[in-house]
Amino acid sequence: QKEVEQDPGPLSVPEGAIVSLNCTYSNSAFQYFMWYRQYSRKGPELLMYTYSSGNKEDGRFTAQVDKSSKYISLFIRDSQPSDSATYLCAVAQGGSEKLVFGKGTKLTVNP
Amino acid sequence: GAGVSQTPSNKVTEKGKYVELRCDPISGHTALYWYRQSLGQGPEFLIYFQGTGAADDSGLPNDRFFAVRPEGSVSTLKIQRTERGDSAVYLCASSSRLAGDTQYFGPGTRLTVL
Repeated sequence: QKEVEQDPGPLSVPEGAIVSLNCTYSNSAFQYFMWYRQYSRKGPELLMYTYSSGNKEDGRFTAQVDKSSKYISLFIRDSQPSDSATYLCAVAQGGSEKLVFGKGTKLTVNP
Repeated sequence: GAGVSQTPSNKVTEKGKYVELRCDPISGHTALYWYRQSLGQGPEFLIYFQGTGAADDSGLPNDRFFAVRPEGSVSTLKIQRTERGDSAVYLCASSSRLAGDTQYFGPGTRLTVL
């Protein structure tokens, strides 16, 4: 079993839809949770970062962490064609520790 | 510079050759990380530097891979006797405590071993 599981998709939605992206992890030692966005042939860029259970909101993006279920989610409201990218979840044991990534979910938002 | 830069952006080499990949972190960032991303996969950790020393090299796949950061800034990832299975995008990231330990990634070097 991989440390972080993420459905690779692909996921295709119409513009304006609510998108839900999910990951599960196996090791309860992971305390830091991140979502990165990666455009084609670019490096990952950080979208959301949290270290506690619950919700964290930033504009159209909401990150949700449930440590009891070892489940993390990213919600995108009012999705836009510019949101089309691969979304990677990542976890870490400490603040400056190595990141363990999921496979990434490829999202396409159709105008 | 404004972000992490990596050179070259693309590298094509033949099986058995030696390659060096360079990473320039964000100025002032003390931590530097190397990851490898194969097609259709998430990045996989290779090695992490804190200053000049390798704090964690547990992700290096074998002794053909080596990385240095002699002055605590620029880092070079070195691969000896390259194999076709080494073909991937090699990503570098840097972070600092003052920036909340967030890892900022460069654009990567796409390595193709023929």
